[in-house]
Amino acid sequence: EIVMTQSPATLSVSPGERATLSCRASRSVSNKLAWYQQKPGQAPRLLIFGASTRATGIPDRFSGSGSGTQFTLTISSLQSEDFAVYYCQQYNNWPPLTFGGGTKVEIK
Amino acid sequence: EVHLLESGGGLVQPGGSLRLSCAASGFTFSSYDMSWVRQAPGKGLEWISGIRVGGVSMDSAASVKGRFTISRDNARNTLYLQINSLRADDTAVYYCARVEGSGWLNDYWGQGTLVTVSS
Repeated sequence: EIVMTQSPATLSVSPGERATLSCRASRSVSNKLAWYQQKPGQAPRLLIFGASTRATGIPDRFSGSGSGTQFTLTISSLQSEDFAVYYCQQYNNWPPLTFGGGTKVEIK
Repeated sequence: EVHLLESGGGLVQPGGSLRLSCAASGFTFSSYDMSWVRQAPGKGLEWISGIRVGGVSMDSAASVKGRFTISRDNARNTLYLQINSLRADDTAVYYCARVEGSGWLNDYWGQGTLVTVSS
């Protein structure tokens, strides 16, 4: 099973600032890495797949990078609606699919 | 528009059973693999199981193997999860998700149904 580790657990950012979230895989997942956003009481929403491709309707302030074992999600200028929990997930080696533990982006 | 609607959750005693359903609309259900993912209160996401378009199920997560069974009815556009021998640590919101692409990418998710296991 591939273990996904996200850091930091909590990120405090002011609106308008840049946020950088990290995700590490215990072994290579190639570029089969997705990022999801989850707000309280809502289902996860796909943001990024293939490590760097934005899903339909996702603003370009969200960008993903990385391959192999190290990945990054960057939110270039945080808007109020971006404060949420973000999860990475690998879909290269399965079953099982595995998720990171999440990064909560909160208002500073 | 893709829409997934879970149902069947509720309060159940330890050792009990439930069958969860996920009604799909807005896409050709029979052409997509599907997943179940759960989230315990205040915790992260845990993939449970997946099923291919033709009804062949993937190996389930170790935590539910032998207790949970995934199935689908393509004629009814519905995904199911039969959950047996429930334990307190099965308490969670259960989501169904559509799978896109050759890898197991979950692109659309339902709003989830809450299963609470308690005496």
